[in-house]
Amino acid sequence: DIQMTQSPSTLSASVGDRVTITCRASQFISTYLAWYQQRPGNAPKLLIYKASNLQSEVPSRFSGSGSGTEFTLTISSLQPDDFATFYCQQYNDSPYTFGQGTKLEI
Amino acid sequence: EVQLVESGGSVVRPGGSLRLSCAASGFNFDDYGMTWVRQGPGKGLEWVSGISWDGGSIGYGDSVKGRFTISRDNAKNSLYLQMNNLRAEDTALYHCARIYSSGWTSHMDVWGKGTTVTVSS
Repeated sequence: DIQMTQSPSTLSASVGDRVTITCRASQFISTYLAWYQQRPGNAPKLLIYKASNLQSEVPSRFSGSGSGTEFTLTISSLQPDDFATFYCQQYNDSPYTFGQGTKLEI
Repeated sequence: EVQLVESGGSVVRPGGSLRLSCAASGFNFDDYGMTWVRQGPGKGLEWVSGISWDGGSIGYGDSVKGRFTISRDNAKNSLYLQMNNLRAEDTALYHCARIYSSGWTSHMDVWGKGTTVTVSS
């Protein structure tokens, strides 16, 4: 199985900050990577698909990049609504594994 | 409105069985693959199973293979997960999600809120 490793596990930041979350795959996954945001008590929400494509209606302050085994999610200017847990997920090869999550907190 | 609503979660004893359902509305259900994803208490997301639009292609995570069976009824706009030989480690909130593809090898663009399964004696 492909292992997905996110860093950091926890990230403290402030409104207006620029933050980056990294996701590493244990083997090549091309650009078959998605990023999800999960607020407490809510279902996950798709932010980015195919590594760098912004999902419809997701604010443009979110962006994704990378290919192969190294990927990043960047939030250009944090808003109060952004504090949540973020997960990467590969869908190159079954089983479609998730990273362990990055909790973004104030 | 595009919506997925899960049901069927309950408290069940180890070794028992349960069938989860997911009712889809607001989109052409038989145009899309579907999947189940679970989240243990205080834990991260775990992909459980996926199924193509016609049920012809199916996949399972390693931890549930041989115990869980995914299926769908396109006439009823419904997705199912039959769970047998349940273990304590299957305790989780189970989400169904739409796959942005007719197969099950793509990202998940619509999620349900989930139904809770608790395996305990």
